Amino acid sequence: GQQLNQSPQSMFIQEGEDVSMNCTSSSIFNTWLWYKQDPGEGPVLLIALYKAGELTSNGRLTAQFGITRKDSFLNISASIPSDVGIYFCAARYSGGYQKVTFGTGTKLQVIP
Amino acid sequence: NAGVTQTPKFQVLKTGQSMTLQCAQDMNHNSMYWYRQDPGMGLRLIYYSASEGTTDKGEVPNGYNVSRLNKREFSLRLESAAPSQTSVYFCASSEVRDNEQFFGPGTRLTVL
Repeated sequence: GQQLNQSPQSMFIQEGEDVSMNCTSSSIFNTWLWYKQDPGEGPVLLIALYKAGELTSNGRLTAQFGITRKDSFLNISASIPSDVGIYFCAARYSGGYQKVTFGTGTKLQVIP
Repeated sequence: NAGVTQTPKFQVLKTGQSMTLQCAQDMNHNSMYWYRQDPGMGLRLIYYSASEGTTDKGEVPNGYNVSRLNKREFSLRLESAAPSQTSVYFCASSEVRDNEQFFGPGTRLTVL
């Protein structure tokens, strides 16, 4: 089946630093999604990407849909303590049933 | 709008007991989903309902049943709970099948 490999699995960073994480697959997708899950809560959609090469920002967050359609990247600039949580990528292939596949998550911890 | 609500928030069961997890959404979404989240496994789809009156199996349906009671409500039933079903369960909804999904806060289930 389709799998999304998300890296890194976890990271500790200093407040104010920039963060990069990525999601790769051997399969092609038509939509990439990035979610954030706060401790004890459900995932919340951060950014949706619909076109290869697309670069989209949401405040301090920027995500890109890879040109090959097999990967996506999320960057967080000037991290703050409330950025703590698990970041999930998800992707969808528009062909027949549009199943969404989720990555295994990147756990981010910010040291004040 | 409350979005997606789930009850209960926490539950402890003994092996063999049954229970139903409730989910409701007030966004007039057509599609609803049940996921389980286990450490290191990301989100795995148990069942989904593409529209009122339909339900289909996801990736890990064994040991579960679902009911789409009406457009708002989608319940998940464990007929005979097993320790392997200890997990965090999330309900989600989307406007159309597998479009951007909105998640509830989760139910933390422990089966002893």
